[in-house]
Amino acid sequence: EPEVTQTPSHQVTQMGQEVILRCVPISNHLYFYWYRQILGQKVEFLVSFYNNEISEKSEIFDDQFSVERPDGSNFTLKIRSTKLEDSAMYFCASSTDRALSYEQYFGPGTRLTVT
Amino acid sequence: AQRVTQPEKLLSVFKGAPVELKCNYSYSGSPELFWYVQYSRQRLQLLLRHISRESIKGFTADLNKGETSFHLKKPFAQEEDSAMYYCALWNQGGKLIFGQGTELSVKP
Repeated sequence: EPEVTQTPSHQVTQMGQEVILRCVPISNHLYFYWYRQILGQKVEFLVSFYNNEISEKSEIFDDQFSVERPDGSNFTLKIRSTKLEDSAMYFCASSTDRALSYEQYFGPGTRLTVT
Repeated sequence: AQRVTQPEKLLSVFKGAPVELKCNYSYSGSPELFWYVQYSRQRLQLLLRHISRESIKGFTADLNKGETSFHLKKPFAQEEDSAMYYCALWNQGGKLIFGQGTELSVKP
């Protein structure tokens, strides 16, 4: 069964550094999402992406964040200048459509640790 | 405001006992709700959705609009049900709004 994959599984970076988290959505999916979960807190929506542009973003997704689909398979989340509070588990998800009936499939997550 | 609340961080039951994981929501429109499950070291996966009115792995959930609840129930818990369970509200834009999760521990 096709799965969403994410790399790396764990990323450690210093405050102020740029990080790029990578995701490979399921191949026939058209809608892509990033969520994050700070340790002990709820899973929070960051951004949705369709047709090479952002569909919706949360207030968390400020100018330090960007997303890109650089080729036909990857979907990336970039944090320009990381802060300590960016430490979290970042989940990528994809679906064939954003309508209610279409399930969002999640990747295994990337744990980002900012020191 | 759109919000999902799961009041219990941890629920511990014995095998064979009934389970109810609570979920309450706040949403101005007609809510569409899901339960996601995360087994140890595995990814988040969809367990069931309100719109399908299905029973998966013995779990059911009924939407109660009067009480704004979508509690997850199973009559007889199994050890393999031990996992994190997340209630989620679907937003018209396609995003999911999650509760904080409840860890279910089923003891032998």
